[in-house]
Amino acid sequence: DTGVSQDPRHKITKRGQNVTFRCDPISEHNRLYWYRQTLGQGPEFLTYFQNEAQLEKSRLLSDRFSAERPKGSFSTLEIQRTEQGDSAMYLCASSTRGDANEKLFFGSGTQLSVL
Amino acid sequence: ILNVEQSPQSLHVQEGDSTNFTCSFPSSNFYALHWYRWETAKSPEALFVMTLNGDEKKKGRISATLNTKEGYSYLYIKGSQPEDSATYLCAFRYNKLIFGAGTRLAVHP
Repeated sequence: DTGVSQDPRHKITKRGQNVTFRCDPISEHNRLYWYRQTLGQGPEFLTYFQNEAQLEKSRLLSDRFSAERPKGSFSTLEIQRTEQGDSAMYLCASSTRGDANEKLFFGSGTQLSVL
Repeated sequence: ILNVEQSPQSLHVQEGDSTNFTCSFPSSNFYALHWYRWETAKSPEALFVMTLNGDEKKKGRISATLNTKEGYSYLYIKGSQPEDSATYLCAFRYNKLIFGAGTRLAVHP
């Protein structure tokens, strides 16, 4: 399967711990997005990369969140000093183009539970 | 603040019923409107990307229309089947996709 893969699928952590998620996009895709989805809401934009450059980061994202995409391939999203409000589904998506016809291909997400 | 509204929030229909959902979005600075289907325990999957006022797209029993002047799109499902049960998300393309909260569809046999 050459789709977008995310690891882990589920993560349970205690408040105050750091967590890191990984996303492997479709290999030829140069754009990579992170979204967060909580119950009853649609996916909320967090950040995106074009190749290795992080082009935009949501103002809603606190300093505890950081994302990287070294060498423009896989990406990691780290949350430091997790809080209960960070509990959500974290979705990664990739695409090949940034024009009006851009279609995102999503991974299955990482479900984070902060106890 | 850019807002994308979807209605209804949830819908229960019987197998064979036809149904439709609404997505409302800002009518100024339109670039593109996306529809995604998200089945439980799977990845959201793109159904349509619509860019032109009056666009109509069709994929099997599912179709969508777009009115950029008044800022709405309709998604139609003809003859719903249990496998159509999913959350249907629309997303307005600004410089990134801004999603609505989705319409959760349950099709009962």
